[in-house]
Amino acid sequence: ETGVTQSPTHLIKTRGQQVTLRCSSQSGHNTVSWYQQALGQGPQFIFQYYREEENGRGNFPPRFSGLQFPNYSSELNVNALELDDSALYLCASSLSAVQSSPLHFGNGTRLTVT
Amino acid sequence: LAKTTQPISMDSYEGQEVNITCSHNNIATNDYITWYQQFPSQGPRFIIQGYKTKVTNEVASLFIPADRKSSTLSLPRVSLSDTAVYYCLGGPEGGGNKLTFGTGTQLKVEL
Repeated sequence: ETGVTQSPTHLIKTRGQQVTLRCSSQSGHNTVSWYQQALGQGPQFIFQYYREEENGRGNFPPRFSGLQFPNYSSELNVNALELDDSALYLCASSLSAVQSSPLHFGNGTRLTVT
Repeated sequence: LAKTTQPISMDSYEGQEVNITCSHNNIATNDYITWYQQFPSQGPRFIIQGYKTKVTNEVASLFIPADRKSSTLSLPRVSLSDTAVYYCLGGPEGGGNKLTFGTGTQLKVEL
């Protein structure tokens, strides 16, 4: 069983640029959640996709957007990058979007904005 | 949304049992309590989840009293490899499994 994989593992961008992060969900999982984790903090919920539809969003501006594809893989796009966007971006898949369905996380993409 | 409070850090020695208590005073009736473990430069890993009383798996036990205002994660006979951040999560943000993580408890296990 293949777990959640994220690409790239590391990325350096310049302020104002745009970035796309990718996530392959675990086999059989139809729900993908994205989190941002700053250094020393817990992961912060960005948004969730359930069967290709956005299923909830955290307190992040519209320049954070996403997609989920028919195979349930997902992308996170961030436009107009700011220095504060530097963080570890985590993707998690789950069997469903119900509370009792545990999140399975990838190891993240480390984004550095200079 | 159930706000959780847990110790910032804990220290232990190999072979000891470690208990991490989390308070979640305003947890909703239908909310589960879930614990995750995170190593540096890795995503969090699901440890255990419960609703009431006691839940045990091959990794840990979770004790939840009748009032559900707190819970205790118990790690039996810890080893150096259990050094990690442990997150207690109560009710999700916006329902379902859109979980909100706090800053967690940094557990350090020494020889």
